[in-house]
Amino acid sequence: ETGVTQTPRHLVMGMTNKKSLKCEQHLGHNAMYWYKQSAKKPLELMFVYNFKEQTENNSVPSRFSPECPNSSHLFLHLHTLQPEDSALYLCASSQEPSGRAGGGELFFGEGSRLTVL
Amino acid sequence: RKEVEQDPGPFNVPEGATVAFNCTYSNSASQSFFWYRQDCRKEPKLLMSVYSSGNEDGRFTAQLNRASQYISLLIRDSKLSDSATYLCVVDKAGTALIFGKGTTLSVSS
Repeated sequence: ETGVTQTPRHLVMGMTNKKSLKCEQHLGHNAMYWYKQSAKKPLELMFVYNFKEQTENNSVPSRFSPECPNSSHLFLHLHTLQPEDSALYLCASSQEPSGRAGGGELFFGEGSRLTVL
Repeated sequence: RKEVEQDPGPFNVPEGATVAFNCTYSNSASQSFFWYRQDCRKEPKLLMSVYSSGNEDGRFTAQLNRASQYISLLIRDSKLSDSATYLCVVDKAGTALIFGKGTTLSVSS
């Protein structure tokens, strides 16, 4: 069983809908991330939160809006998405910010597979 | 130059073969290096960290060449269960981790 859980696992939405992806980590970690994985592309870093504070926004369009109410929960709010936003959205956590030397392993959730019609 | 570049493969090898994957990275300020493994329709998981001195974990050996900005992964005595996509991962100059596209390995009996 993964220490990072994501819901929903699958989501189909129209371009005018508003939906949210939820991530919860049960590992006591301090950093959480959203990554996007599209077919034939590398995992793309979207957002980084360290101790609930957003420390990185990797030029993500404003139709994606993250929220981190506490160190265990991370949301990705979606609105007016485009078909090219269809992808697997992966949440991850790490004990310390992952990019720092010794920052530690990333633990991923199973992902939310999003289809935008 | 892409931040992290890998040969996508696929590499198709028989059981027992030795296979090597290469990866190059663009940011000379990167400090942390890893190989992750991703099975089909599953999330990525850490396979091993990569150190300048090289490191070995059973059948897996990882090496780092900072001067050439090059990372490698060697798998000896391949097993069917090694079939997966292997992701080269590098830190973005002390911030978050950046993933390569991955190299797909298929081991057949």
